[in-house]
Amino acid sequence: GDSVTQTEGLVTLTKGLPVMLNCTYQTTYSPFLFWYVQHLNEAPKLLLKSSTDNKRTEHQGFYATLHKSSSSFHLQKSSVQLSDSALYFCALSASSGSWQLIFGSGTQLTVMP
Amino acid sequence: DTTVKQNPRYKLARVGKPVNLICSQTMNHDTMYWYQKKPNQAPKLLLFYYDKILNREADTFEKFQSSRPNNSFCSLYIGSAGLEYSAMYLCASSRDRVDTQYFGPGTRLLVL
Repeated sequence: GDSVTQTEGLVTLTKGLPVMLNCTYQTTYSPFLFWYVQHLNEAPKLLLKSSTDNKRTEHQGFYATLHKSSSSFHLQKSSVQLSDSALYFCALSASSGSWQLIFGSGTQLTVMP
Repeated sequence: DTTVKQNPRYKLARVGKPVNLICSQTMNHDTMYWYQKKPNQAPKLLLFYYDKILNREADTFEKFQSSRPNNSFCSLYIGSAGLEYSAMYLCASSRDRVDTQYFGPGTRLLVL
């Protein structure tokens, strides 16, 4: 069945450094990929989404490119800020008829001063 | 306004007692979802309503019930809470089944 893998459970960085959070997926159908961010005590919010192969999508300084050849949708930012500390979920929706959102286990990003 | 609201934000329940969680949205979205999230695990879809049609996941079919009295409200009902129900419950809605899902802040349920 469809699945999403996020390999890092916890990432700790110093402010100003670049970050890449890994996301790979498995599906036999045409994929839609999402990144959601959840700050403490807040609702998960959509950060990025894409269904177009090899096209970079950007929002709030974060960017990701869907690569269907490698089944990846890694989240990147060139310079993290303290306010980026949050839980990041990668999610997959595939055109298998159900269109259910399948989440990865999440990556907790902590940015230190 | 893309706000999804959930009540209560925190719920303490006793083993064997019922639990009712409420979700609301004012975006006139067709589809509303309930997820269960435990620490270090991915959110797990429990069920969703597409309009008035309820779809429940096979492995949680008997554990959770839901109602949607109107387009704006959706509840999640646990008839007899067990310790394993302790988790964060996230509600989400989307314009239709293929559109972006908007999440509420969640209800943290602790069963003792």
